[in-house]
Amino acid sequence: DAGVIQSPRHEVTEMGQEVTLRCKPISGHNSLFWYRQTMMRGLELLIYFNNNVPIDDSGMPEDRFSAKMPNASFSTLKIQPSEPRDSAVYFCASSRLAGGPTGELFFGEGSRLTVL
Amino acid sequence: DAKTTQPPSMDCAEGRAANLPCNHSTISGNEYVYWYRQIHSQGPQYIIHGLKNNETNEMASLIITEDRKSSTLILPHATLRDTAVYYCIVRVEGTGGFKTIFGAGTRLFVKA
Repeated sequence: DAGVIQSPRHEVTEMGQEVTLRCKPISGHNSLFWYRQTMMRGLELLIYFNNNVPIDDSGMPEDRFSAKMPNASFSTLKIQPSEPRDSAVYFCASSRLAGGPTGELFFGEGSRLTVL
Repeated sequence: DAKTTQPPSMDCAEGRAANLPCNHSTISGNEYVYWYRQIHSQGPQYIIHGLKNNETNEMASLIITEDRKSSTLILPHATLRDTAVYYCIVRVEGTGGFKTIFGAGTRLFVKA
């Protein structure tokens, strides 16, 4: 199995530009999660999906952030417009059954975003 | 908010057992304890989970106290490659399912 695949691995952009991060979960997994990691705030859960439906987006910082999951094998996290404080590593993770009491997460290698 | 408390850092000599403690005094009867680790610059990696009984796999052992208010992750023979941040997690139930919320974790330094 290829694992969770994220792209791009690194992105450097200028303030005000649109950023799109992509994630392909492990085949057969029902749940997908987006996390953000910074030195100051650690790993923060932004949003998660069950069966392609957004379940909890309470961690999304503001309206500039949006996430979609058009099908079971693809999700995007978009920031528009980007700001320097959005600089972080963004991780995508998938799980077989997040809705149940068990269900370990499998993480991608992350997308490191730098907004100048 | 994370439902667990861990020491911020620990040291361990290479080849010795690393025992990482975790307190989860508010854990409910049907909530599992999970452990993940994050090696520098990589995504977190699942290690082990348990409910009541002690668990062991190829990576580690998990010892859960009888009252389930604390647990210990044991790496039986730590190597330099085990240097990482270790997260103890009790998932939070929200609308639509359980959320995995990461706290600050324990930074384990394995020294030669």
